[in-house]
Amino acid sequence: GNSVTQMEGPVTLSEEAFLTINCTYTATGYPSLFWYVQYPGEGLQLLLKATKADDKGSNKGFEATYRKETTSFHLEKGSVQVSDSAVYFCALLLGGYQKVTFGTGTKLQVIP
Amino acid sequence: DVKVTQSSRYLVKRTGEKVFLECVQDMDHENMFWYRQDPGLGLRLIYFSYDVKMKEKGDIPEGYSVSREKKERFSLILESASTNQTSMYLCASRPPSEAGYGNQPQHFGDGTRLSIL
Repeated sequence: GNSVTQMEGPVTLSEEAFLTINCTYTATGYPSLFWYVQYPGEGLQLLLKATKADDKGSNKGFEATYRKETTSFHLEKGSVQVSDSAVYFCALLLGGYQKVTFGTGTKLQVIP
Repeated sequence: DVKVTQSSRYLVKRTGEKVFLECVQDMDHENMFWYRQDPGLGLRLIYFSYDVKMKEKGDIPEGYSVSREKKERFSLILESASTNQTSMYLCASRPPSEAGYGNQPQHFGDGTRLSIL
């Protein structure tokens, strides 16, 4: 079956540090890949997406590149802010299927 | 912007009660989903619906049912609430996924934090 594996959190960083949250996937086909962010007390919001190999999704300073050879979609940001503190979810969707497969989420805490 | 609205942000109910959680979307999406979110377990799919009156079980449907009488509205029903159903419930909607095409992301509501006493 399909699955998404994320690094376990929580991840604690100082403001302006470099962020990487690892995500790898297993899928029977070529999925679209997503990163969602959940701020405290809110639902999930789409952060970025990539629909085919070597695509780079980017938004709000975050980036992730769809790597088919390593089945990975790692999330990166060059300089995090306190306002980036949230839970980040990696997810995949296979064309023709309706269910999204989510990772378990990685909590990020950025301290001043 | 897509708007997914869940009827309550916080809800407190008693064991054995029948509980209704409502979700409405304004983008004419065919697909709608109900998840529960628990610490350490991520999001788990309870039910989804790909059309009016159509539904499919997700990964944890036991103790729940759903209703989709109109395209924009998807209701989650706890037939007889139990304390292990205390959780955050998230509703989402999305256009249909088509093989060979880029897939559209899901849009989520703000969640309902349900406590069963």
